Amino acid sequence: DSGVTQTPKHLITATGQRVTLRCSPRSGDLSVYWYQQSLDQGLQFLIQYYNGEERAKGNILERFSAQQFPDLHSELNLSSLELGDSALYFCASSFGDGAYEQYFGPGTRLTVT
Amino acid sequence: GESVGLHLPTLSVQEGDNSIINCAYSNSASDYFIWYKQESGKGPQFIIDIRSNMDKRQGQRVTVLLNKTVKHLSLQIAATQPGDSAVYFCAENMAGSSNTGKLIFGQGTTLQVKP
Repeated sequence: DSGVTQTPKHLITATGQRVTLRCSPRSGDLSVYWYQQSLDQGLQFLIQYYNGEERAKGNILERFSAQQFPDLHSELNLSSLELGDSALYFCASSFGDGAYEQYFGPGTRLTVT
Repeated sequence: GESVGLHLPTLSVQEGDNSIINCAYSNSASDYFIWYKQESGKGPQFIIDIRSNMDKRQGQRVTVLLNKTVKHLSLQIAATQPGDSAVYFCAENMAGSSNTGKLIFGQGTTLQVKP
């Protein structure tokens, strides 16, 4: 158990819908990261927040957004969902904002039908 | 484009043998590297990391070697056990220039341990 929690574990929704994925980092960690894992793209970095502020952006679609709250938990919002958004979404956390080991949660499996 | 490539998609070893998983990275500015293990249905699990000012780092049954000259990273697992069967990912970070934790992952190598 990494100490990072994610909810829900599974999510099935229809195209065009909007969903929210939730992540609680390890105790003491200030950075939260979101990654997408699909069969054809592998693990792709989406976005990083550090102590409530956006720190880095990767290949995140405009339909996706995230935020980190004062209690350091984070939410990833996915809207206007398409079939191609079906993937595993992982949250990770680390102590600092730079090169530190990141600990991953169990992931949310999103299926868009 | 940005990529961290792995040399072999699947590695099959006998239980008790040593395993070596290789990784080539493309960006010479990368200064931090991590190996992760991912079992089916689970999130990536941190194994070991190494910074660019080091050539070698050892953990419990694992060793990571970094060759900056040829931009090559390897993970050595001693006395491989059935529980080591998983997909292994290397990842790189350019924290020195970006000061972020953004990791770029390779495609992964599947390690199969034969009893």
